[in-house]
Amino acid sequence: DTGVSQNPRHKITKRGQNVTFRCDPISEHNRLYWYRQTLGQGPEFLTYFQNEAQLEKSRLLSDRFSAERPKGSFSTLEIQRTEQGDSAMYLCASSLRTEAFFGQGTRLTVV
Amino acid sequence: AQKVTQAQTEISVVEKEDVTLDCVYETRDTTYYLFWYKQPPSGELVFLIRRNSFDEQNEISGRYSWNFQKSTSSFNFTITASQVVDSAVYFCALSEAGSGGSNYKLTFGKGTLLTVNP
Repeated sequence: DTGVSQNPRHKITKRGQNVTFRCDPISEHNRLYWYRQTLGQGPEFLTYFQNEAQLEKSRLLSDRFSAERPKGSFSTLEIQRTEQGDSAMYLCASSLRTEAFFGQGTRLTVV
Repeated sequence: AQKVTQAQTEISVVEKEDVTLDCVYETRDTTYYLFWYKQPPSGELVFLIRRNSFDEQNEISGRYSWNFQKSTSSFNFTITASQVVDSAVYFCALSEAGSGGSNYKLTFGKGTLLTVNP
């Protein structure tokens, strides 16, 4: 399968715990994006990587959030000290040109 | 600032009916891209189409067609002879070339839930 892969698909965590999600983009894609989607809303941009460089972060990305893309391949998104408001679907997308291709997302539930 | 409005929250049709999903956008850039994505219950966003701001030619792909009108800032999507498998949330999105011309981050509308009943 050559699509965007995200793991885990679902994560339930207790408030205050740290969580980490992984995204494996389409192999030749140099651009990688993270989005967050809450119920009944469209996805909202969180951050953008070109190769290994994180070039833009949204104001939505608080200090508790950090993303990395070592060696310009897979990416991780970590949320520290999770809050109930962090419950959402976290989507990863990659692109070579203008159109982005999305993974199936990681659904986070903070209890 | 970019904005995408999908005024139709939910649409319900009977199979074989035609249905049009509306999308209106706002941008100050002269170069931008418009997209439609489909999100079935499984959750994955499926890319359907991209148009750039310099190409107003309408496009047809099978039962799908898109009408891009810059004069009204609209990019509407029509499904002809709808089928049950078309049931999904459909998102319209806008992208501008960001700083350095490489960040094509998407601004999405809130989506339209299409239900096609047998």
